[in-house]
Amino acid sequence: GQQVMQIPQYQHVQEGEDFTTYCNSSTTLSNIQWYKQRPGGHPVFLIQLVKSGEVKKQKRLTFQFGEAKKNSSLHITATQTTDVGTYFCVGSQGNLIFGKGTKLSVKP
Amino acid sequence: NAGVTQTPKFQVLKTGQSMTLQCAQDMNHEYMSWYRQDPGMGLRLIHYSVGAGITDQGEVPNGYNVSRSTTEDFPLRLLSAAPSQTSVYFCASSYSYNSGANVLTFGAGSRLTVL
Repeated sequence: GQQVMQIPQYQHVQEGEDFTTYCNSSTTLSNIQWYKQRPGGHPVFLIQLVKSGEVKKQKRLTFQFGEAKKNSSLHITATQTTDVGTYFCVGSQGNLIFGKGTKLSVKP
Repeated sequence: NAGVTQTPKFQVLKTGQSMTLQCAQDMNHEYMSWYRQDPGMGLRLIHYSVGAGITDQGEVPNGYNVSRSTTEDFPLRLLSAAPSQTSVYFCASSYSYNSGANVLTFGAGSRLTVL
């Protein structure tokens, strides 16, 4: 069936280090969304990518959508303790397909 | 503008009891959905609705019922609670089910424990 694989499952970084999480779909997506969930909180929408090869930035966060619209990445530059949480992607292909998320911890 | 409101935030049930998790949105969203979140499993779709009067099953529907009598409300009913239903439940809505208008707004979550 349709799947979106997200790696890594966990990432522990020192504050100031960079962080990247990747999503790979078995099929071409219409769009991909990224969400952040703080510990004990609910998922909050970050961004949606629609176009092939699209790159969007939000301050220290850079989002990319692959040329084939099957993969995407979220890169955080110089992590801060406020970046702690789980980041997950949601692929859209008629229905929504959830990645399982990457749990980021940041050591001050 | 309250967004998506879920109640209760916490609930403890005994095996076999029934209960309803409430979800209401005030954004005139067509699409509403229920997910459960378990460690290592990510978010899994239980049931969803693309409009009032229309509901459908998601990935893990067994043991749950839903109805959508109004655009605003989408309650989730546990018919006979089981320990396997211990989880955090999220309600989410979006303007439409169609790509391009399907960004989800989530409720704050309901943590359910079944003893």
